[in-house]
This record gives sequence, C-alpha cells and structure tokens, in this order.
Amino acid sequence: NAGVTQTPKFQVLKTGQSMTLQCAQDMNHEYMSWYRQDPGMGLRLIHYSVGAGITDQGEVPNGYNVSRSTTEDFPLRLLSAAPSQTSVYFCASRKIRQDVGTQYFGPGTRLLVL
Amino acid sequence: GQQVMQIPQYQHVQEGEDFTTYCNSSTTLSNIQWYKQRPGGHPVFLIQLVKSGEVKKQKRLTFQFGEAKKNSSLHITATQTTDVGTYFCAGIRSGLTGANNLFFGTGTRLTVIP
Repeated sequence: NAGVTQTPKFQVLKTGQSMTLQCAQDMNHEYMSWYRQDPGMGLRLIHYSVGAGITDQGEVPNGYNVSRSTTEDFPLRLLSAAPSQTSVYFCASRKIRQDVGTQYFGPGTRLLVL
Repeated sequence: GQQVMQIPQYQHVQEGEDFTTYCNSSTTLSNIQWYKQRPGGHPVFLIQLVKSGEVKKQKRLTFQFGEAKKNSSLHITATQTTDVGTYFCAGIRSGLTGANNLFFGTGTRLTVIP
C-alpha cells in the first residue's frame, strides 16, 4: 500500500491564483480530512469527509473548497490564493470506528503564496 | 469551543535526561491520541488512550490519561537523539455529519543535545 499520497510537494503561487492540492489513499478509508499547519498553531482542520459525496467544514474552512467523488480521492481547492494561506497542508485518512483509531497522514504540501 | 493546551512549547534536554509534555483540555475528552512529527516530516500516530486513569507504555515512552479525562501526559525516559521532533496530543470533537474529528494541541518541540 502507498498509504496517503499528496501532490505537489511544493508550490509557489501568486496572490489571486487558484490551484488544487491532490490527496489519495489506497486503504479504503471512509474518513478523509485536510489540515493546515502553521508555526506555533499546531494542526487545524480545514474540511473533512466521511464518505463519497459527503463533506463538511472544519475549524478554518474559509477560502477552501473540497469534494469527494470517490473513496480514494479528496482534493482541496484554493479558489483565490492569499498570503495568509501560506502554510503546510496535510491530508489524513482513517477507518470510521467508534473509538476513532489511527489516523494516517500524507507527506504534506508546502505552499507559498506571494 | 473545546481547546487543548499543550505545555511546554519547547524543551531542550541533554541526551539521557527525561522529558515530559502535558496536554490539558477545557472539557472532558472521550479519547486522546498522541502523534510525533519529525523535523520536515508528517505526524505519525503513537497511541490512543480511552479509559479514565489509563497508563500505556511503549518502550521508553509512558502515556497517561487523567482520571477526569481532561488531561494527559507523555513521558520519555532517558531521551535519545532519535526522540527529536514535535509531539502533539489530539482530542476528539464530533462534527455535524457525526464524524469524530481530531483537534490538535499546539505541540511540544523536543530538542535532544548529544
């Protein structure tokens, strides 16, 4: 299994540009999520999904869109990039269990918005 | 909303010394998880605690969940250079779709001086 994969690894955008961060998992996990990590602020949840066709907002959803058309893929779209979106973005997935269980993270995408 | 505070933010220790990081929640947690993130890497699941007063050990790492399920700690005995990284605790919060989302503490960055 490849686990959770993310592309690209690095990206530089200009203010106002749009882009899609890709995330895929091959573990047949129902739950997928996106976090951003900023210095001193830990990981903050952007959006999450509990299955194909079902998405919901996390703590910091503004400026981001998601969709879940398949179990495997959960792309994150930046509609109009802003310097405040400079961050490291992690995708994560896990099986849905009552006691939650292990969450697996991808390697991350480092985004710089100029 | 629920918040998870983690202290200290940074810790520098000599190799061989012990290390402890503490996690405190404003509300009762159903579960708590711990993750480790190496510099430049992604978070990796270490353990999940579910029961009040639970203590679990992984080699030199000891994890505790408080009796009131509002605090937790991670203790490393005789640190090694391989322990370097940031340690995060994560509590559980239910979302609108019924999913259990992880919300992370701000992390403790551990530096081990050889």
